[in-house]
Amino acid sequence: DGGITQSPKYLFRKEGQNVTLSCEQNLNHDAMYWYRQDPGQGLRLIYYSQIVNDFQKGDIAEGYSVSREKKESFPLTVTSAQKNPTAFYLCASSIVPAYEQYFGPGTRLTVT
Amino acid sequence: AQTVTQSQPEMSVQEAETVTLSCTYDTSESDYYLFWYKQPPSRQMILVIRQEAYKQQNATENRFSVNFQKAAKSFSLKISDSQLGDAAMYFCASSSGANSKLTFGKGITLSVRP
Repeated sequence: DGGITQSPKYLFRKEGQNVTLSCEQNLNHDAMYWYRQDPGQGLRLIYYSQIVNDFQKGDIAEGYSVSREKKESFPLTVTSAQKNPTAFYLCASSIVPAYEQYFGPGTRLTVT
Repeated sequence: AQTVTQSQPEMSVQEAETVTLSCTYDTSESDYYLFWYKQPPSRQMILVIRQEAYKQQNATENRFSVNFQKAAKSFSLKISDSQLGDAAMYFCASSSGANSKLTFGKGITLSVRP
């Protein structure tokens, strides 16, 4: 079955530690995205990538980093510089820019 | 820059009835797309329906249809014959430009009364 997987579903970290969230897709999509969702808020774009080895900052990139070494994978690192990292993180992909995006199941990150 | 506004935080509908969820947007682009996504309690985002701005005909998907008013920049979602499984958070979103970033509204929580 084709789809997007994110792991783990729940992640707990101590303040000051970097943490990496996984996102893998087997849909052969070129574009991939990372969003953050907070209670009462819509989704906000963190980073996106339209091709391998290239990515751009979204609206709230500070404190985050990404890589795109393979078409299938787009991991997100939440660094210790992110002031309020506790949130629900969603990864998405699309076949071409402007087409609908398909989402993974999300990762709930809690930092204490 | 694009903005998407969903002004109603919550709505409720009786099972089997029809409900309309409102959305307005603003964009300077001439070519753009509009979407409605559903997020049930599992938090998995599911695409409900898509509308291309250049198409005058309103999109429909089974019990879901949109009322796209381009001049008014309005994009409402109508759910007919509401079912208990329709209870979820619904997000309106727009996409345009070469990078095609999605801009989301804050969402509306829909409850369905049995």
